[in-house]
Amino acid sequence: AQSVAQPEDQVNVAEGNPLTVKCTYSVSGNPYLFWYVQYPNRGLQFLLKYITGDNLVKGSYGFEAEFNKSQTSFHLKKPSALVSDSALYFCAVRERLTGRRALTFGSGTRLQVQP
Amino acid sequence: DGGITQSPKYLFRKEGQNVTLSCEQNLNHDAMYWYRQDPGQGLRLIYYSQIVNDFQKGDIAEGYSVSREKKESFPLTVTSAQKNPTAFYLCASSIGPGECQPQHFGDGTRLSIL
Repeated sequence: AQSVAQPEDQVNVAEGNPLTVKCTYSVSGNPYLFWYVQYPNRGLQFLLKYITGDNLVKGSYGFEAEFNKSQTSFHLKKPSALVSDSALYFCAVRERLTGRRALTFGSGTRLQVQP
Repeated sequence: DGGITQSPKYLFRKEGQNVTLSCEQNLNHDAMYWYRQDPGQGLRLIYYSQIVNDFQKGDIAEGYSVSREKKESFPLTVTSAQKNPTAFYLCASSIGPGECQPQHFGDGTRLSIL
């Protein structure tokens, strides 16, 4: 079975500071990993994904994520936060080649960037 | 513009009533999905379909039904058997059932009980 944990319900950062949103996963084999962002009363927007290769993945809006196989983590990062980054962030996993053909999402982390 | 359209945006259900949520996509995607979103619980998979005329149950299929008669349409019916239907429902699609394809989401339908 595949699962995702986002240990923080909310993350608060000041504008201009770096931000990290944490994600750990559990799969039997190798994972495909995704980050999505959700603004109020909207659907999810795709930010980035890890498939294979370089452990540092760059995505939309200046976000990046680091895949760490030994720690089974895929933390989302941004060097300098903007107020407009305030939103709900979801990590998702899918096991390669086996397992069900749909993503499993974490419970979400609310990012609040203060001016 | 290509995308996923969910309708209605808001829906109210009476006791004992079945309601149907619409999801249409013009992205020519093969795979479609329905999720339920409750506060603090993230997204939970209700049903998914990898191809026309085929669909599979997700984690919380009880009280829901779907059909996939056309590639572009994947309606979700919330039946009277679903005792706690109040939630935000999200439809998504992806190019195919390939594992690495990101899903594209509609803007959701918020269902409430009268």
